[in-house]
Amino acid sequence: EAGVAQSPRYKIIEKRQSVAFWCNPISGHATLYWYQQILGQGPKLLIQFQNNGVVDDSQLPKDRFSAERLKGVDSTLKIQPAKLEDSAVYLCASSLALDRRNTEAFFGQGTRLTVV
Amino acid sequence: ILNVEQSPQSLHVQEGDSTNFTCSFPSSNFYALHWYRWETAKSPEALFVMTLNGDEKKKGRISATLNTKEGYSYLYIKGSQPEDSATYLCAFITVDSGYALNFGKGTSLLVTP
Repeated sequence: EAGVAQSPRYKIIEKRQSVAFWCNPISGHATLYWYQQILGQGPKLLIQFQNNGVVDDSQLPKDRFSAERLKGVDSTLKIQPAKLEDSAVYLCASSLALDRRNTEAFFGQGTRLTVV
Repeated sequence: ILNVEQSPQSLHVQEGDSTNFTCSFPSSNFYALHWYRWETAKSPEALFVMTLNGDEKKKGRISATLNTKEGYSYLYIKGSQPEDSATYLCAFITVDSGYALNFGKGTSLLVTP
C-alpha cells in the first residue's frame, strides 16, 4: 500500500514570498489533515477535510494560509505572504476515520519550510 | 483547543534501561488516544490506538496503558535500544472533534549504547 506522499521535502523562501505544498493521501482515505509543527511544539492542526469539504479550519490563519482538496483526493496548502514565524514542518496525514478503531492517521514525511 | 500534556519533555537513557512516558488529557468527551513514534527524517508512525478504559496494548518491547476516567496514558519501553531513539507523541480525540488529533509536545528519547 502506497503511503502519503508530500512535496517538496524542503523549501527555503524569503519573507513575503509565497509557497505551496502538495499532498497525495492514501487511496480511499476520506479524511485529510494538514498539521504545522514548530520546533519544540507538538503538531497543530491547520485544516481537516472530509472528502473535499472542510471539517475544521479554526486554527488556519486565513489572512495568509489557504488550502484546497481537489476532487476529494490531492490537497494543496498555500502560504502568501510568508512570515518568519511560518518556519516549521508541515505534515499531511490521511485517515479512514470510520469509527473508533479506524482513526489512525498515516503521515507523509513532511515539508520543512524555512522563511528567511 | 484541548490541552494534552506529555512528560518528561526529553529523556536520555543507556541501552538496556527501561523507561516510561506519561500523557495527560481531558477525561471528558473521550473518544480515542493515539501514540506515535517520530524518528528524525521520517514520517510519524502510529504505535497504538486505544479506545477503552483499561486498555493495555503491546508491540514487542513497547507497551501502553489507558485510564480514561482519570485522563492519562503510560507508554513503556523495556530494554531500550538505540533504534528506539525518537520523539514519542501522544494524540487525543474527543467525541465532538470530528476525528481531529490533538497532539502533545512529545517526549524526545535518546538511547545511547
